[in-house]
Parts: sequence; structure tokens; C-alpha cells
Amino acid sequence: GAVVSQHPSRVICKSGTSVKIECRSLDFQATTMFWYRQFPKQSLMLMATSNEGSKATYEQGVEKDKFLINHASLTLSTLTVTSAHPEDSSFYICSASSGLGLYEQYFGPGTRLTVT
Amino acid sequence: AQSVTQLGSHVSVSEGALVLLRCNYSSSVPPYLFWYVQYPNQGLQLLLKYTTGATLVKGINGFEAEFKKSETSFHLTKPSAHMSDAAEYFCAVTRGTGNQFYFGTGTSLTVIP
Repeated sequence: GAVVSQHPSRVICKSGTSVKIECRSLDFQATTMFWYRQFPKQSLMLMATSNEGSKATYEQGVEKDKFLINHASLTLSTLTVTSAHPEDSSFYICSASSGLGLYEQYFGPGTRLTVT
Repeated sequence: AQSVTQLGSHVSVSEGALVLLRCNYSSSVPPYLFWYVQYPNQGLQLLLKYTTGATLVKGINGFEAEFKKSETSFHLTKPSAHMSDAAEYFCAVTRGTGNQFYFGTGTSLTVIP
């Protein structure tokens, strides 16, 4: 089956630093990748949609200069949280779609970011 | 526009009892509907999906859901709850391939021994 990985699974960083999260589709080509953010006990909120080779489309209220998304290949998308602050601490989940008419998205295991 | 409503943020059932998690959707186009389960500090695992065809869909771990267009519902059921079913469950809708998912707010299922 389709597998999506995320790295790292957990990261702790100091306030003011930047952290990069990788999302990889391991056994299929992902034409579209999505980044979600999940606060404790809450649902997933879409942050942005990225298509390979194109600029990401950000949801309203998401700062594109703070959350940099790069989808440089059909198997890799990265989310960089720049100048992280404690309020950026959250669970970040990516998903990938192959665009082959299967409708579903395949979700990564998530990355727990803690900013101290 | 798409949206999903999950009635009941917390549901508790006894082990062996029927599980019923409710999901209603609104969609301007024929929807594709999904149920996902999430265990603590983990990603989402697909339980089942409805795209076309038979309206009663069966998923993993004994779960099933029925798409009822007239009621705009896609409730998740399981005849007999197991302790291992305790988790967070999310209903989601999408318009189709490459389109974003809209998630419900989630239902936390507790199974009482």
C-alpha cells in the first residue's frame, strides 16, 4: 500500500530557530501534498497545498513567510518553520495524493514540534 | 463548499456493545467520504471510504459505514466494541482527487471494560 513517512517524528527547538520537517511518499509519486496542523484534542486544520514544481497555496490565516513549503520532487515535500515560537508548538501532519483517481490521501505519521 | 459535522465529541461504550459514531456532511458536489482513526501521537489510519457504488462500505477492524444521501450522513458503526478501539475518530469529505480534505472535529471513543 501507499506509505508516507515524516522526519523527524519529534523535534524540540529553541525559540527563534528554524526547523525543517520532511514528508516523503515512499512507493508512489505524489503530485499533490498537503500540510496539516493539529492542536491537542482538536481536528486537523489544512495549512497549505503544494503541487510538485509549483508554489504552495496557503490557507487563509497561515503565514507563508513563516511556514515555508517546498515540493521539489514527486516524492518529497518539506515544511520549514522559520523563527519558531512556543505558539508554533503543535503536531504537524502531511498527506500525499497520487492524483490517479483514487480520491484518498495517504497520511504521514506526524511530527511533534515543541518550541522552548 | 464542503463541511463535516461529527455529533458528540466524546462517546463511551461498554466492551462488546455497539459503536455508533455520527457524521453528517454538506457538499455542493457528490462527496467522497472517509473515516480515519488516530491513536495518541500517531498519524491517521484509514478505516474505510465511500467513493461510488455500494452505499454500505466495510472497513478494517470490523467497522462499517453507510452513505445515506437523503440524510447527508455517513455514520460509522461496529457491532461489538473492543478495548483496542479506544481512539480518536475523524470523518472527512473531499470533492475528489487532489482536492483538500475537510475534517470533522473528531469523536473520542472510550471503551469501558
